[in-house]
Amino acid sequence: EPEVTQTPSHQVTQMGQEVILRCVPISNHLYFYWYRQILGQKVEFLVSFYNNEISEKSEIFDDQFSVERPDGSNFTLKIRSTKLEDSAMYFCASSGRGQGGEKLFFGSGTQLSVL
Amino acid sequence: GENVEQHPSTLSVQEGDSAVIKCTYSDSASNYFPWYKQELGKGPQLIIDIRSNVGEKKDQRIAVTLNKTAKHFSLHITETQPEDSAVYFCAASYGSWGKLQFGAGTQVVVTP
Repeated sequence: EPEVTQTPSHQVTQMGQEVILRCVPISNHLYFYWYRQILGQKVEFLVSFYNNEISEKSEIFDDQFSVERPDGSNFTLKIRSTKLEDSAMYFCASSGRGQGGEKLFFGSGTQLSVL
Repeated sequence: GENVEQHPSTLSVQEGDSAVIKCTYSDSASNYFPWYKQELGKGPQLIIDIRSNVGEKKDQRIAVTLNKTAKHFSLHITETQPEDSAVYFCAASYGSWGKLQFGAGTQVVVTP
């Protein structure tokens, strides 16, 4: 069964450092997303991406964040200068198109710890 | 914006009994309501979903009901099994495609 894969599963970084979280969406999907879950809080939307551009972003997704689809398979989230409050589980998701296209399929997540 | 409330936060059931999780949403424009199951160390897995033009949907032991007027929807698991133990999230779509507002999650524990 096709699945969304994320690497690394755990990332520890120092405050102020840049991190890149990587995702390989399901191959025939066209819409890509990042969500995050801070410990003890709800899963929250960060950004959606379609046709090589951001479709929508939340207020969390400020100038420190960026997304990119550098090739035909990868989808990345970059945090330019990490803060303590960026510590969270980051989930990548993808979805298809047309009927049923709103079904999001999530990866297993990257646990980011900012020290 | 959309706000989704989910209850209970924890649910303990005996194997074979039924489990019910309830969610309410605030934005009457929301039209798609998925349920996700998250096992330890894994990402949320879609288990069932319902659109706003449908009142009920069933898939084997899992069913979801939607009351648009009251803006609430529920997940029903019958004949629970130990492998049903997980965290369950409800969600509602709002705004653009793929933008989901999640509930806080329900930890379900099925005891043999």
